[in-house]
Amino acid sequence: DTEVTQTPKHLVMGMTNKKSLKCEQHMGHRAMYWYKQKAKKPPELMFVYSYEKLSINESVPSRFSPECPNSSLLNLHLHALQPEDSALYLCASSQVGGELFFGEGSRLTVL
Amino acid sequence: AQRVTQPEKLLSVFKGAPVELKCNYSYSGSPELFWYVQYSRQRLQLLLRHISRESIKGFTADLNKGETSFHLKKPFAQEEDSAMYYCFEPGGSQGNLIFGKGTKLSVKP
Repeated sequence: DTEVTQTPKHLVMGMTNKKSLKCEQHMGHRAMYWYKQKAKKPPELMFVYSYEKLSINESVPSRFSPECPNSSLLNLHLHALQPEDSALYLCASSQVGGELFFGEGSRLTVL
Repeated sequence: AQRVTQPEKLLSVFKGAPVELKCNYSYSGSPELFWYVQYSRQRLQLLLRHISRESIKGFTADLNKGETSFHLKKPFAQEEDSAMYYCFEPGGSQGNLIFGKGTKLSVKP
């Protein structure tokens, strides 16, 4: 299995909702990433986990809460989001320091 | 801070014409650079990495330390090359994992 799988593909939520984005990989990668991509913009790094520990948090607001339950799974918990948080959220994984493999993304719309 | 610059937002060429997508970097050490491609409605995927010096889909990229560049080239563009191309620099030990702003390549028939 050489893919990164993200669910759900699409998510619509209100500003008071709590939801989660999920990411899974079975390539044995020990680094996992969350990126945010707005339309016609490059991906922006949010979080990096290395060996299941959070190693980079790019000053992301606390309404985004990452979680890495094990080496294959990465979650992004969402709470009290704003409409400007609507974007494509990309998960990626890699060997530490290696090529990033990306999922197809979860397209989030906040109403 | 490490940075990659892609000066062109859009590059439009005709099928069969040569293509050069520019990427310049600012990095004090030995950079590790990649090109990623995002086709319409598909996931972001690796196209090239500079250390492998390989050619993928007819594209090549050479690291020029004198000009601090890592331009992506293809001698004869095809319509299926139309996509968004991003230059990527992991950022060494700081791990900034920075994408350039991207260049949209449009290959016309």
